[in-house]
Amino acid sequence: GQQLNQSPQSMFIQEGEDVSMNCTSSSIFNTWLWYKQDPGEGPVLLIALYKAGELTSNGRLTAQFGITRKDSFLNISASIPSDVGIYFCAGRAAGNKLTFGGGTRVLVKP
Amino acid sequence: DGGITQSPKYLFRKEGQNVTLSCEQNLNHDAMYWYRQDPGQGLRLIYYSQIVNDFQKGDIAEGYSVSREKKESFPLTVTSAQKNPTAFYLCASSIVGDSYNEQFFGPGTRLTVL
Repeated sequence: GQQLNQSPQSMFIQEGEDVSMNCTSSSIFNTWLWYKQDPGEGPVLLIALYKAGELTSNGRLTAQFGITRKDSFLNISASIPSDVGIYFCAGRAAGNKLTFGGGTRVLVKP
Repeated sequence: DGGITQSPKYLFRKEGQNVTLSCEQNLNHDAMYWYRQDPGQGLRLIYYSQIVNDFQKGDIAEGYSVSREKKESFPLTVTSAQKNPTAFYLCASSIVGDSYNEQFFGPGTRLTVL
């Protein structure tokens, strides 16, 4: 089936830093979604992208739908401690089924 | 408030027992989904339903069963045939359509088989 490669698998952030993560696929998607999951909780939708090339912001978060429709990235600007968590990308090709990436675990630098 | 509820939050079960996880939504969504999440992993689709009295298998349906008798409810039964049932189970819902059909998730149920 379709697979999404999400990278990096984990990253350390220092308060105030900008961070970036991305997802790539061998297949075309019509929708890209980005979620954040805190430990023991359900994922919360951050940004939804519906058009190739679309760039959308939600506060300090910015995400883009790649022009090839096979990739997407998420940027977090001026990171703060509550940005810690797991970020998932998800793509939809047709119908309502989503394919999820493996997640990027964001941790605070010791 | 509109949302998705899952109960219980934590569930313990002995090997060989069936167990049913509850999922209810009051978002008036037609589609509902069940996912399984293992530690450090992404989400894998178990079953989904786009309309009452109809549902389809996802990628890992073996050992699970569902029903969709009401629009608001989509319970998942983990049967004794599921070989490795300990996991975090997530329910989601969405509208049905080509756009703006984002999936919204419940808080999850952590199932532990003793």
